[in-house]
Amino acid sequence: QLQLQESGPGLVKPSETLSLTCTVSRGSISSSRYYWGWIRQPPGKGLEWIGSIYYSGSTYYNPSLKSRVTISVDTSNNRFSLKLTSVTATDTAVYYCARQVDGGTYSKFDSWGQGTLVPVSS
Amino acid sequence: DIQMTQSPSSLSASVGDRITITCRASQSISTFLNWYQQKPGKAPKLLLYGASTLESGVPSRFSGSGSGTDFTLTISSLQPEDFATYYCQQTFSSLPITFGQGTRLEIK
Repeated sequence: QLQLQESGPGLVKPSETLSLTCTVSRGSISSSRYYWGWIRQPPGKGLEWIGSIYYSGSTYYNPSLKSRVTISVDTSNNRFSLKLTSVTATDTAVYYCARQVDGGTYSKFDSWGQGTLVPVSS
Repeated sequence: DIQMTQSPSSLSASVGDRITITCRASQSISTFLNWYQQKPGKAPKLLLYGASTLESGVPSRFSGSGSGTDFTLTISSLQPEDFATYYCQQTFSSLPITFGQGTRLEIK
């Protein structure tokens, strides 16, 4: 069964860059069927899609975050990464990585990492 | 952006009850609608995709319907493990993909 695991610093200071990596195991990140996405959830609030990447490196981002977000893929190590620049306290959230399956008539996030809480605080 | 509005925002029900959660899109999304269940401290779990297709391993008491702008998630007979928060998600427009605000299902 596919596994995704987020990793990264547990705390980020305001104005700095948040960096997270999602390592995929028991499955290949290079499959043509899948995109790989990041989703976040502020404490006690709802879900917000950040962006997604294809194994080729093709990306698409939430327009509300696009100016600050970069998602990249490392197929050699079966992982993908998120960078969010100029963070503020409003970027404090649990960050999830997930596999996105595009089936033509549907698109779904069917496997998720456990999530990692990233506080933004000085 | 396509806005997704769920109702109710919270719901109290008893084990064995049949409940329905509604999700409305601000414009037509065909059947590009997914439902997720989230329990405290856990990642969301996919329940249904394409508005009505049950994800593998999800109990058949969960069902979904709708197309265009109006969708429903129904749980036919609530079990203790079903008390959680439920989110709808549209993937018709990927710029951006959006979620509903969530419906918290609590034990009466």
